[in-house]
Amino acid sequence: DVKVTQSSRYLVKRTGEKVFLECVQDMDHENMFWYRQDPGLGLRLIYFSYDVKMKEKGDIPEGYSVSREKKERFSLILESASTNQTSMYLCASRHGGGGQETQYFGPGTRLLVL
Amino acid sequence: DQQVKQNSPSLSVQEGRISILNCDYTNSMFDYFLWYKKYPAEGPTFLISISSIKDKNEDGRFTVFLNKSAKHLSLHIVPSQPGDSAVYFCAASGNGANNLFFGTGTRLTVIP
Repeated sequence: DVKVTQSSRYLVKRTGEKVFLECVQDMDHENMFWYRQDPGLGLRLIYFSYDVKMKEKGDIPEGYSVSREKKERFSLILESASTNQTSMYLCASRHGGGGQETQYFGPGTRLLVL
Repeated sequence: DQQVKQNSPSLSVQEGRISILNCDYTNSMFDYFLWYKKYPAEGPTFLISISSIKDKNEDGRFTVFLNKSAKHLSLHIVPSQPGDSAVYFCAASGNGANNLFFGTGTRLTVIP
């Protein structure tokens, strides 16, 4: 079974803090993704990575950065957290090759920025 | 601009009846479509998919139908069970792209 784990289930941070969200997958997948889920907006892609040290912007990258130093780990960084970044953050991974491969999701991190 | 749309935010169905969840897309380059199911406080889990070369794919109680000319797909659940109550997301990809485009989700409630 594919396992995608996220470092925290719930997180409360203050405006202006630097926030790290960690994601680890155990299936040697090439591709990893960060999404945020908001009511009425579905899942929106923030960043994805198709290889170590490689990254691509998704639909809403502003205010975020990412790091992929090892194949199994993909970190999402909020450089200076703001209240509009309060959301559910979902990490996913997928075998490479594009096209018809399933993405496997972690349980999510619910972030509250005060 | 939302390329994948789920126009019904919620749906309620009696146990044992059919649930039909709809999804529309705008990008004609999409060639692979998926449905994910999400329970509260959990990540989405893959449910069923369909390639654009097919118009139907069935897996147990779940069937996905694709109408390419209408850029429309639907998920049928028969018979619906209370455990099917969840948010269902439609997703699409195309042109060998790595990422998926998700709809906004439909919350299905199956009433016992």
